[in-house]
Amino acid sequence: DTGVSQDPRHKITKRGQNVTFRCDPISEHNRLYWYRQTLGQGPEFLTYFQNEAQLEKSRLLSDRFSAERPKGSFSTLEIQRTEQGDSAMYLCASSSGLAGGHTGELFFGEGSRLTVL
Amino acid sequence: GENVEQHPSTLSVQEGDSAVIKCTYSDSASNYFPWYKQELGKRPQLIIDIRSNVGEKKDQRIAVTLNKTAKHFSLHITETQPEDSAVYFCAASFTQRGKLIFGQGTELSVKP
Repeated sequence: DTGVSQDPRHKITKRGQNVTFRCDPISEHNRLYWYRQTLGQGPEFLTYFQNEAQLEKSRLLSDRFSAERPKGSFSTLEIQRTEQGDSAMYLCASSSGLAGGHTGELFFGEGSRLTVL
Repeated sequence: GENVEQHPSTLSVQEGDSAVIKCTYSDSASNYFPWYKQELGKRPQLIIDIRSNVGEKKDQRIAVTLNKTAKHFSLHITETQPEDSAVYFCAASFTQRGKLIFGQGTELSVKP
């Protein structure tokens, strides 16, 4: 499968614990996005990378959230001291940047579902 | 701020009818407007997109129109079929580097 893969698919944790999600994008894609989606809502932007550079992080995002893409390939999203409100589907997507900095089609992974008890 | 508003939140049509979903965006500099379809329990997938240098784009039963002056764009689905039932999301790019912000989604139900 050469699509975007995410791991783990499901994570149940207790409040206060740290969790880490991994995303492996399509290999030739230089852009990688993290979104959060709750039931009945659209994907909420968290952060995105071009190669290893983090271009922007949502202003609404707590400092408990951090993301990395150290070698411009896979990315990790860590949530520290989880809260029940963090329960959601965390979606990763990748795309190829086009000429002029434009974005191509986003290809989404299956998501990592987080449940905080 | 960076915002994309989508309406309606739910839409029910009879098979064969047309469906229209509308979105407005806040940043006049936005230049890329994709539409994604998400079936229950699955990942969002692109169905059509439009860039700001054109006003309309069509792909078989699906079309998107863009009004840059009014900062709104719409998805049109003709001759709807039960398999069109899904949640549809619009999105708009913000910043020159292509950050995509999504609307809240429209749950489309096509009744046979």
